[in-house]
Amino acid sequence: DGGITQSPKYLFRKEGQNVTLSCEQNLNHDAMYWYRQDPGQGLRLIYYSQIVNDFQKGDIAEGYSVSREKKESFPLTVTSAQKNPTAFYLCASSMSGGNTEAFFGQGTRLTVV
Amino acid sequence: QQQVKQSPQSLIVQKGGISIINCAYENTAFDYFPWYQQFPGKGPALLIAIRPDVSEKKEGRFTISFNKSAKQFSLHIMDSQPGDSATYFCAARRGADGLTFGKGTHLIIQP
Repeated sequence: DGGITQSPKYLFRKEGQNVTLSCEQNLNHDAMYWYRQDPGQGLRLIYYSQIVNDFQKGDIAEGYSVSREKKESFPLTVTSAQKNPTAFYLCASSMSGGNTEAFFGQGTRLTVV
Repeated sequence: QQQVKQSPQSLIVQKGGISIINCAYENTAFDYFPWYQQFPGKGPALLIAIRPDVSEKKEGRFTISFNKSAKQFSLHIMDSQPGDSATYFCAARRGADGLTFGKGTHLIIQP
């Protein structure tokens, strides 16, 4: 089955710890994206990558880091610098160029304890 | 600065009725306008999308109306069904940049 796989589905983190969320796609898409969703908010863009070994900051990049070493993978690290990391994190991918559908994973719910 | 404004925040419609959700955008460089449907605990799924050179697009019971001069677009769900109860997000995008989302509309279809 083609699609986007996010893992884990639930993640608990102690304050002061870094944590990495996994996102893998087998759709052969060039572009990948990370969004954060909070209750009552739309999805907000954290980082995106249009090609391997290149990525750009989105609207709320502070406290997050990413890497894009492989076309299929775009992991997101939530660092201890992120002041309010508890949220639902969604990864998406799309073909390169505009006007193309973005496919979303099922999300990772991160809770800081 | 919120680039895509969505209304209403919540909406209750009787079964068989028409559900209407509206969005307004500010950035005239946006060139792709999708609507997403999201069920609790799941990722959003594309419902329907439109480009600014088209004023209306229909797919089954779902229609997007687009008004470029007013910088507004709307989603109409005809013959609304209980299974349509979900959160709906409008979004806008420029080229291959990330999507800019509205804050969502929680839709409830009453049987």
